[in-house]
Amino acid sequence: NAGVTQTPKFQVLKTGQSMTLQCAQDMNHNSMYWYRQDPGMGLRLIYYSASEGTTDKGEVPNGYNVSRLNKREFSLRLESAAPSQTSVYFCAGSTQGGNTEAFFGQGTRLTVV
Amino acid sequence: GENVEQHPSTLSVQEGDSAVIKCTYSDSASNYFPWYKQELGKRPQLIIDIRSNVGEKKDQRIAVTLNKTAKHFSLHITETQPEDSAVYFCAATPPLDDMRFGAGTRLTVKP
Repeated sequence: NAGVTQTPKFQVLKTGQSMTLQCAQDMNHNSMYWYRQDPGMGLRLIYYSASEGTTDKGEVPNGYNVSRLNKREFSLRLESAAPSQTSVYFCAGSTQGGNTEAFFGQGTRLTVV
Repeated sequence: GENVEQHPSTLSVQEGDSAVIKCTYSDSASNYFPWYKQELGKRPQLIIDIRSNVGEKKDQRIAVTLNKTAKHFSLHITETQPEDSAVYFCAATPPLDDMRFGAGTRLTVKP
């Protein structure tokens, strides 16, 4: 089993460019999440999807959009990248909401110049 | 939403000593409290969790305690080893809600 897989692992964008981070899981998770990790600030929730067809904003949603394409896939889109979005992004999945173990992808290191 | 505070932000101990990391949460409805370990350059992974109907849980050298009245919970690592060096995150989750993490504690175990 691959678990939770993110692509790409590294990306450099110019300010104003757009891109989509992909996440796929083969663990039959109902819930999926996108977090960003910045030094000293822990893991901050951007968006989550409690189940297929639903998405909700987290703590820091501004500048991002998400799509829960199907049960397996949950993508994160930056429409117009800004230097403040330089971060490490983690996708995660869990069986049922935040009350069960979250399994994380390997992370995407994004730099916006 | 839930707000989780974690202390200390950095912790340095000698090999063999104990380490304690503390977290407080704001939402009294939270009922699930996991701890994740993140080694340098890797993804966070669950090391232990506790639910609100339990006051303490142990797994070999690690233990977690929960005080629901005070709304705080702690991670205890005994007989620390260099491989325990990592960033540790606590989290708290109300029922049917998303998971909110603390800011993390960087633990360094000196040989």
